[in-house]
Amino acid sequence: QSVLTQPPSVSGAPGQRVTISCTGSRSNIGADCDVHWYRQVPGTAPKLLIYRNNNRPSGVSDRFAGSKSGTSASLAITGLQAEDEADYYCQSYDRSLSASIFGGGTKLTVL
Amino acid sequence: QVQLVDSGGGVVQPGRSLRLSCAASGFGFSSYGMHWVRQAPGKGLEWVAIVWYGGSYKDYADSVKGRFTISRDNSKNTVYLQMHSLRAEDTGVYYCVRGLGSYDDFWFDHWGQGTLVTVSS
Repeated sequence: QSVLTQPPSVSGAPGQRVTISCTGSRSNIGADCDVHWYRQVPGTAPKLLIYRNNNRPSGVSDRFAGSKSGTSASLAITGLQAEDEADYYCQSYDRSLSASIFGGGTKLTVL
Repeated sequence: QVQLVDSGGGVVQPGRSLRLSCAASGFGFSSYGMHWVRQAPGKGLEWVAIVWYGGSYKDYADSVKGRFTISRDNSKNTVYLQMHSLRAEDTGVYYCVRGLGSYDDFWFDHWGQGTLVTVSS
C-alpha cells in the first residue's frame, strides 16, 4: 500500500477533461514537500510531466496542469487525446520516512 | 542531449549479488544527484537510493538498506548499484535517474531505459 493514494483508474472521452488525485498526509504533501507527476507508457521509462506542484518541463503540453492544496495534489488533463492513455504517478518526499515516495499509479483510459 | 544507459541486469539466485551500472552523457554529471528507482513486474515505482553529486551523501529506501550500495565515479560519468543478499522481491526493472532539487526533496527529470533484474532459483 502506497503512502500516496491515487485512484487505480480514470477514464474520459476525447476532448474531455480528467483529473487524477494524489492524497498524502502531514508528513509529506502536508509538510510542504513538493509534488511531481510522471507519465509512463507500459514497457517504457517514465517521463516527467509536472515538477514542483505546477511547473511543466520544456516540451510538455499545456494541456497538463498540476495543483496542490493541504495534504493533496491533482493532475488535470484537458482536451483528452488517445495518446494520453498511460499510467500516471505522483511523487513527493516523506519527512517521517526520510524517503522519496510514489503514489500507486493511475491508469488513464481514453474511451 | 541527456542520456542515461543502464546495464548489468540479469537472472540471479536468491542470496547472490549483482552490480548495475549507468553510463551518463550529455550533461555535467558531477553536478547532479543520481538515483535508482525500480519497478516490480506489473507494479508501481519505488525509489531505491540516492548519491549526491560529490558522492559523500547517500541514502536508501528501508527495503534495501544494509544490502544495496550506491556509488558514483565522476571521472567515468557512471553511477553504480551494488546489490547483495538479493531476494525475490527485488525482482524488477531498475532505472537510473537524474535528480533535481535538494537531497531531501527531489524529482527526476531524466530516466535511463531500465535494466531487468530477476531473482529466482
